[in-house]
Amino acid sequence: EDKVVQSPLSLVVHEGDTVTLNCSYEVTNFRSLLWYKQEKKAPTFLFMLTSSGIEKKSGRLSSILDKKELFSILNITATQTGDSAVYLCAFSGPQGAQKLVFGQGTRLTINP
Amino acid sequence: DAEITQSPRHKITETGRQVTLACHQTWNHNNMFWYRQDLGHGLRLIHYSYGVHDTNKGEVSDGYSVSRSNTEDLPLTLESAASSQTSVYFCASSNPSGGSEQYFGPGTRLTVT
Repeated sequence: EDKVVQSPLSLVVHEGDTVTLNCSYEVTNFRSLLWYKQEKKAPTFLFMLTSSGIEKKSGRLSSILDKKELFSILNITATQTGDSAVYLCAFSGPQGAQKLVFGQGTRLTINP
Repeated sequence: DAEITQSPRHKITETGRQVTLACHQTWNHNNMFWYRQDLGHGLRLIHYSYGVHDTNKGEVSDGYSVSRSNTEDLPLTLESAASSQTSVYFCASSNPSGGSEQYFGPGTRLTVT
């Protein structure tokens, strides 16, 4: 059975800290790995990674995929209170099967 | 601007009643999905559709049905609501010729009493 496991499930840090969120997966047919941010509403898309070892960046957020070791990390540097959210990772399967399988999410809390 | 909307945003219903949650998108996406989100489970796929008249069961489809009569809408029906179906429901859509990224609606909070 395909599955995605995120760790930690919950993380509390101070503003300005750097955090690393982890996502490991066991899938039979991997196409891409996606990261979403969810505040008190709908998940919003952050990154999609398909190639191993290539970092995607957007401001203070960055992510990288390791297809050999079957994991991805999401880094957030110089955290701000607005980064407080649940971060979800998901994978998609073969071309044409566009379903996503989500992990449980990591709840990140940034204290001022 | 293109968007995806859900209605109602909040619903309280009684056990045994039939409930329909609406999802409407103006992205002109062929792919549409319904998820439920519960504490400790992340997002779980209920049903999905890759185009008009196409529907497929997801991971947690028991007690739910969908129909796709046009590109814009994928209503989700709970045939006979149960307390275990109390949850937040999200609809999403994606472009099959794009990447795998899905765009989510604002969610419907459903309480079954």
